[in-house]
Amino acid sequence: DGGITQSPKYLFRKEGQNVTLSCEQNLNHDAMYWYRQDPGQGLRLIYYSQIVNDFQKGDIAEGYSVSREKKESFPLTVTSAQKNPTAFYLCASSIRFGRNTEAFFGQGTRLTVV
Amino acid sequence: DQQVKQNSPSLSVQEGRISILNCDYTNSMFDYFLWYKKYPAEGPTFLISISSIKDKNEDGRFTVFLNKSAKHLSLHIVPSQPGDSAVYFCAATPYGQNFVFGPGTRLSVLP
Repeated sequence: DGGITQSPKYLFRKEGQNVTLSCEQNLNHDAMYWYRQDPGQGLRLIYYSQIVNDFQKGDIAEGYSVSREKKESFPLTVTSAQKNPTAFYLCASSIRFGRNTEAFFGQGTRLTVV
Repeated sequence: DQQVKQNSPSLSVQEGRISILNCDYTNSMFDYFLWYKKYPAEGPTFLISISSIKDKNEDGRFTVFLNKSAKHLSLHIVPSQPGDSAVYFCAATPYGQNFVFGPGTRLSVLP
């Protein structure tokens, strides 16, 4: 089955620790994205990648880092510098960037800082 | 400043009736519009999209209407079913740029 897989579904982190969220897609999509959703709010863009070995900051990139070494993988690291990391994180991909295309989402990872 | 607005945080509709979800945008450069459906603790699911060269697109029970002069689009669901109860996000993208999502509208379809 083609799709986007995020893991883990639930993640707990102690304050001061870095944690990495996994996102893998087998759709052969060029573009990938990370969004954050807080309760009662919409989706805010953290980072995006138009193509392998490239990535750009989104609206709320502070305290996060990404890499795009392989086309199918776009991991997100939540660093200790992120002041309020507890949220629902969504990874998405699209066949191409910014040209009449749809984004398809994974099932999300809920991160809780304890 | 929100570029994509969904001014109704919630909407309740009787099963079998029409659900109309509205979305307004401010950026005249947006040329592609999408609707997503999201259940709690899951990722959004793509429903339907429309290009700015069209004013209507239909897919089964879902129809999206675009009024460019008013910078307004709407999603019609006919007939509404209890399984349609979810949060619906409107999104838009200018050519060559990122998706911009609205804050969502929670639809409740009552049996």
